[in-house]
Amino acid sequence: DVVMTQTPVSLSVSLGGQVSISCRSSQSLVHNNGNTYLSWYLQKPGQSPQLLIYKVSNRFSGISDRFSGSGSGTDFTLKISRVEPDDLGVYYCGQGTQYPYTFGAGTKLELK
Amino acid sequence: QVTLKESGPGILQPSQTLSLTCSFSGFSLSTSGICVSWIRQPSGKGLEWLATICWEDSKGYNPSLKNRLTISKDTSNNQAFLKITSVDTADTAIYYCARNWFLDYWGQGVMVTVSS
Repeated sequence: DVVMTQTPVSLSVSLGGQVSISCRSSQSLVHNNGNTYLSWYLQKPGQSPQLLIYKVSNRFSGISDRFSGSGSGTDFTLKISRVEPDDLGVYYCGQGTQYPYTFGAGTKLELK
Repeated sequence: QVTLKESGPGILQPSQTLSLTCSFSGFSLSTSGICVSWIRQPSGKGLEWLATICWEDSKGYNPSLKNRLTISKDTSNNQAFLKITSVDTADTAIYYCARNWFLDYWGQGVMVTVSS
């Protein structure tokens, strides 16, 4: 199985600040077809996870450009700029390159 | 508008079979490229992918649950199903269904408690 390692476990940020979350995979996430199936999700308290970013850097419909994804191979980053109160929650990375799909353990974003 | 909604028994006893239904609208599981996945989340813990079924009836399962999982679909009624046999307390979780491999739309989740 592909192990997804997220760091840090938690982050404290001031409103308006910028944060980065790292996600590393134990194997390359480049599929045979050349695509890299790495996604980012946000789970707000009491809610279902929601998709933010897919295929490393593509923002899902309606997602603010304050969210950006980057990376390649086994090393990926989610950046959030100008943090707003609605951004708080737990962020997960996930890979869909190979079965079984796997997720990182999550990064909790809190207010400083 | 894409929506998904999970339903299940709520509570069941150890060794029973858990049957879950995902009812969806706004897309069809007969459309090329479309898949539905099941994911679960124990209280206060992370996400665990369970299974995926796609438009052409291909299926993928999490081997950590060995042979306990069966995923299926009813294209005509816009539903996907998941069965988990021989449940125990470790299967207590919120169960979600979501669309596609990148899980672009999620249901609200259904809480399942396994308790004697």
